[in-house]
Amino acid sequence: AQKVTQAQTEISVVEKEDVTLDCVYETRDTTYYLFWYKQPPSGELVFLIRRNSFDEQNEISGRYSWNFQKSTSSFNFTITASQVVDSAVYFCALSEFEEAGNQFYFGTGTSLTVIP
Amino acid sequence: GAVVSQHPSWVICKSGTSVKIECRSLDFQATTMFWYRQFPKQSLMLMATSNEGSKATYEQGVEKDKFLINHASLTLSTLTVTSAHPEDSSFYICSARDLGRTGSTETQYFGPGTRLLVL
Repeated sequence: AQKVTQAQTEISVVEKEDVTLDCVYETRDTTYYLFWYKQPPSGELVFLIRRNSFDEQNEISGRYSWNFQKSTSSFNFTITASQVVDSAVYFCALSEFEEAGNQFYFGTGTSLTVIP
Repeated sequence: GAVVSQHPSWVICKSGTSVKIECRSLDFQATTMFWYRQFPKQSLMLMATSNEGSKATYEQGVEKDKFLINHASLTLSTLTVTSAHPEDSSFYICSARDLGRTGSTETQYFGPGTRLLVL
């Protein structure tokens, strides 16, 4: 079973629009971490945020914000006033505390295209 | 943040040859490194977990005799694709854990990836 689901395969928005990328996860651990990464065309993963399972506070960083809701097992990512430079593939990932080695489980990614 | 390097960044080879990819943690020691493979327009799939001084743990479906992993030091893990074939063409990414870095939110640091093209 997929541990991390990103239902949106591709999203296109016009510049300055807001866009939300969805992430739903599945785990039996009580302690776990959730991540968002950005992968531009160059391929290198860019770390955006980490959240642990005990911290449900929403976080805002500039134009980026994250909504973590344990009740729905979701960790959604919103970009406000999108820009062309935001065009990339975004991955949500889960790391389970009890998992030996703490490997990452990645979602299938959401390809975001911001149209100028 | 911490830095993980990979070498080479891209490689083209003929079918049947072996290719070695290096993953280095530049400013920390990594007892555990991970190797991922990413096919075009797909997600990262974990291939194996590499532990310093011991045998790697491979994920189901990954041939350990084809993808040789060596983690001989705390800063270096290597992935050797033996007798490479066109279907092995992919983007290979390593990551390293830094348990000694307090206050960091990343916990794992990813290398820039290696693009392999087998002709």
